[in-house]
Amino acid sequence: AQSVAQPEDQVNVAEGNPLTVKCTYSVSGNPYLFWYVQYPNRGLQFLLKYITGDNLVKGSYGFEAEFNKSQTSFHLKKPSALVSDSALYFCAVNYGNMLTFGGGTRLMVKP
Amino acid sequence: EAQVTQNPRYLITVTGKKLTVTCSQNMNHEYMSWYRQDPGLGLRQIYYSMNVEVTDKGDVPEGYKVSRKEKRNFPLILESPSPNQTSLYFCASSWTSGIPYNEEFFGPGTRLTVL
Repeated sequence: AQSVAQPEDQVNVAEGNPLTVKCTYSVSGNPYLFWYVQYPNRGLQFLLKYITGDNLVKGSYGFEAEFNKSQTSFHLKKPSALVSDSALYFCAVNYGNMLTFGGGTRLMVKP
Repeated sequence: EAQVTQNPRYLITVTGKKLTVTCSQNMNHEYMSWYRQDPGLGLRQIYYSMNVEVTDKGDVPEGYKVSRKEKRNFPLILESPSPNQTSLYFCASSWTSGIPYNEEFFGPGTRLTVL
């Protein structure tokens, strides 16, 4: 069975600084990895995904994620954080038609 | 506008009173699914459907039923709700053709409280 871990419940970063939200996964076979963002009182929105190919994936709103097979990680990054990036972020792995989510990481960007 | 809609958005009910949460999408997606979101647990899949009349259990199907009689609709049925089903529920849809494992489009959520 697949699983996803987001080791940090909350990440605090100052506006303008780079941010990283961590994700590790466990799946037998090739992983299909996703990042979603949830703003208050909203549904989840897709940010980016890794299916195959280049390990650095670029997505919406300036976010990118790096797939590292040896470390089974898929960390979300952004070079310069904005206050408007403050939200709940979920990493997910799709395997066998089922999407499994991590517990979520709350990102707080302070002015 | 392409969207997934859910109704109702908020529901307070009592133990044992049957309820249905509707979900509809206008993107002609084959795949639809239901999740529940609980603090610290992320989203957990309840049921999913690959196409009309094809449904399958997710990680936490106990206490729930679904049906897929039309492509656009995927209602979630709680025949006898219990307090442990108090949660935030999301419906999602996606297409299954083309590249594998496409991203899902989520509805706005339904907050259910079972007293």
